[in-house]
Amino acid sequence: AQSVTQLGSHVSVSEGALVLLRCNYSSSVPPYLFWYVQYPNQGLQLLLKYTSAATLVKGINGFEAEFKKSETSFHLTKPSAHMSDAAEYFCAVSGTSYGKLTFGQGTILTVHP
Amino acid sequence: EAGVAQSPRYKIIEKRQSVAFWCNPISGHATLYWYQQILGQGPKLLIQFQNNGVVDDSQLPKDRFSAERLKGVDSTLKIQPAKLEDSAVYLCASSLTSGGQDTQYFGPGTRLTVL
Repeated sequence: AQSVTQLGSHVSVSEGALVLLRCNYSSSVPPYLFWYVQYPNQGLQLLLKYTSAATLVKGINGFEAEFKKSETSFHLTKPSAHMSDAAEYFCAVSGTSYGKLTFGQGTILTVHP
Repeated sequence: EAGVAQSPRYKIIEKRQSVAFWCNPISGHATLYWYQQILGQGPKLLIQFQNNGVVDDSQLPKDRFSAERLKGVDSTLKIQPAKLEDSAVYLCASSLTSGGQDTQYFGPGTRLTVL
């Protein structure tokens, strides 16, 4: 069984500030972890993924995430927020051999000028 | 490269009516997924196909939902009869293989409103 918990359904930051979106997972097998972004009325777009190579993963648009096995966490960060980062972000885990993704409930990021 | 296509984008029906959604995955992708995303929640897998065979449909309400993937390409998801709680966005995704590390590419979704 696998599950994902995203701490904070809403996060608000100022433009230029650090973005930190939290994700904790549970998996009975070594996990693959993903962060997706969803803009209004659009599908999900992959930001980055962890597939058991480097624990610090760099993604698109300046985002990165660090896999910490001891903390079962995969938090998403970006050093400096931009207005265009405002969206909903989903953390997901896949611990099976056939690709089923289990998603967290999502975090809505708001960026203030 | 064309992305995952879905139609219609929006659909409004009354309860007890039937509805069908269509998905065309990225060319060459063997695996196709249907997810249900209820407002305020993350997507939930309904069914996964590998080519034209079902890999996982454990969370598909089979008394009212059905899906098929003829010839291992396009797929159709049907609801009959619809209930109020079926109001959601239905997302189709595809991946090259069914491996857990493979990236899933999502379509824009179909927003269903059941009145």
